[in-house]
Amino acid sequence: GQNIDQPTEMTATEGAIVQINCTYQTSGFNGLFWYQQHAGEAPTFLSYNVLDGLEEKGRFSSFLSRSKGYSYLLLKELQMKDSASYLCAVVTGANNLFFGTGTRLTVIP
Amino acid sequence: KAGVTQTPRYLIKTRGQQVTLSCSPISGHRSVSWYQQTPGQGLQFLFEYFSETQRNKGNFPGRFSGRQFSNSRSEMNVSTLELGDSALYLCASSRSSSGGPDGELFFGEGSRLTVL
Repeated sequence: GQNIDQPTEMTATEGAIVQINCTYQTSGFNGLFWYQQHAGEAPTFLSYNVLDGLEEKGRFSSFLSRSKGYSYLLLKELQMKDSASYLCAVVTGANNLFFGTGTRLTVIP
Repeated sequence: KAGVTQTPRYLIKTRGQQVTLSCSPISGHRSVSWYQQTPGQGLQFLFEYFSETQRNKGNFPGRFSGRQFSNSRSEMNVSTLELGDSALYLCASSRSSSGGPDGELFFGEGSRLTVL
């Protein structure tokens, strides 16, 4: 089976930096997505990694290590609107997409 | 351009009934995926359709089925509803069905099903 692990909840302060980790064990690997989901809303795309290394997009960066089965999402200069769930999703060797259970981030003043 | 549209947004059914949910993807997207979202389980993959063919299926019982039409619109059906089927059902469309940037999913707002 596929296994994707993320912390369930995290809390961070406005203006700070937070790192949300994701570890995975899947049947093959063809890429990893991060999605953001605000309460009561649909998930929206944040980033995609298929090669090792860091992808930076404004305040958000995503890192991948294929050999370690590990990714993280880095959020800088946190804002209150960043309070949301962050979903890690892995594309397996058969091109199936599996989601982790998500990390609920709360940003406090 | 218009996003992914799901109908109905909310519905209440009783055990044993069946339900059909509809999804209209973004124009030009040929892949439609369905997910069940519950607080404890997160997003669980149901199935994916690409050009009217079921390409992948998740680990759900046969009571869950779907189809895709020639215009890429998709429906999913759940028969003999159980209390545990209460969830948010999300539909997502993408340009392609493979992993990669073109596999980015665009989600609809979901259909919230309550089974009493």
